[in-house]
Amino acid sequence: EAQVTQNPRYLITVTGKKLTVTCSQNMNHEYMSWYRQDPGLGLRQIYYSMNVEVTDKGDVPEGYKVSRKEKRNFPLILESPSPNQTSLYFCASIRNTEAFFGQGTRLTVV
Amino acid sequence: SQQGEEDPQALSIQEGENATMNCSYKTSINNLQWYRQNSGRGLVHLILIRSNEREKHSGRLRVTLDTSKKSSSLLITASRAADTASYFCATDAPNDMRFGAGTRLTVKP
Repeated sequence: EAQVTQNPRYLITVTGKKLTVTCSQNMNHEYMSWYRQDPGLGLRQIYYSMNVEVTDKGDVPEGYKVSRKEKRNFPLILESPSPNQTSLYFCASIRNTEAFFGQGTRLTVV
Repeated sequence: SQQGEEDPQALSIQEGENATMNCSYKTSINNLQWYRQNSGRGLVHLILIRSNEREKHSGRLRVTLDTSKKSSSLLITASRAADTASYFCATDAPNDMRFGAGTRLTVKP
């Protein structure tokens, strides 16, 4: 079954404590992307990756890092989380014209 | 950044009525897609319309595309309570995907 798996689903953390949200896809897609979703703002792209070792900034990259060491995994790293990064995060794997989304990670930074 | 913008932001109708949502975008596209999101869940792909198509149907969904006006509409006919969700349009150009803020549809039983 085609899947994009994000972990964790829910996370509450404190300001400044580094965290990683993992994303894994089993469809051998080259293109993956991270979005954050905030009320009234829709989905905003954080980072995307066109292939292994190829990543680029989206619309709101500040405060985030990503890596793409292998095709299936695309982790999102918050080196020093701040309260304004409290949001719902989605990872997507995209082939041609269709995006497959993970179930989301609800992050709260206090 | 290229982005689809949905209109209206929210729509509330009775079961059985039709729901129409609109999307406007800014630059040339290869195709436009509509996605659905149930509350707090990931988006699910509904339908894609290519730039050389004007209308497409899938079950109770009808999508139109007017490239001269850079707009698209999604019509859901004979709506059901289970259609309650947020609907997003997405554009790509190329290998890049941007979403709007979505239309929140509520279908009352």
